[in-house]
Amino acid sequence: AQKITQTQPGMFVQEKEAVTLDCTYDTSDPSYGLFWYKQPSSGEMIFLIYQGSYDQQNATEGRYSLNFQKARKSANLVISASQLGDSAMYFCAMSSEPGRRALTFGSGTRLQVQP
Amino acid sequence: SQTIHQWPATLVQPVGSPLSLECTVEGTSNPNLYWYRQAAGRGLQLLFYSVGIGQISSEVPQNLSASRPQDRQFILSSKKLLLSDSGFYLCAWSARQGLVYGYTFGSGTRLTVV
Repeated sequence: AQKITQTQPGMFVQEKEAVTLDCTYDTSDPSYGLFWYKQPSSGEMIFLIYQGSYDQQNATEGRYSLNFQKARKSANLVISASQLGDSAMYFCAMSSEPGRRALTFGSGTRLQVQP
Repeated sequence: SQTIHQWPATLVQPVGSPLSLECTVEGTSNPNLYWYRQAAGRGLQLLFYSVGIGQISSEVPQNLSASRPQDRQFILSSKKLLLSDSGFYLCAWSARQGLVYGYTFGSGTRLTVV
């Protein structure tokens, strides 16, 4: 069984500062994929970034980067230069066969960016 | 382009009434399809997934059922709604998209059972 743990129910960050959202995972599968999604108040799920378990480099997508530490089973999301529009719920998720098996989600972190 | 349609956006139903939520996908064939439910302020819980027509796997025993009558159509149903069925229901599909394995979500249905 897979499990995703997000220990920060809520986070505050000042506009233009960087913030790290924590995610730890547990799986016995040797191969897996890790995902981060953003959910604004409208409810839509917006894909942010993906990291494969065998990827040698940490994934980056614009202001988003994933701090992947395989030995520690952590996949933290780093948002640089926070913007007011970044205020939302953020979910970490994983799949043992990305694209072929369902995603398992964490409980989420609510990020509030303050001006 | 690949899109996913989910309707209705909001729904208020009395306890004991039936439910039918529909999800359709365009621009891809033989996708994996999923139904998730999200309680207020919580994460997403997988309800059902389907790898093909008529193939449904249930993750959580409950008052709901799912069907896939066509390749790109996924339906979530209930014969008699319970108060505990209230929540935000999201349909999703997945496929390999280039080098990235993508999961695309619909816009969701906010169900309130009264």
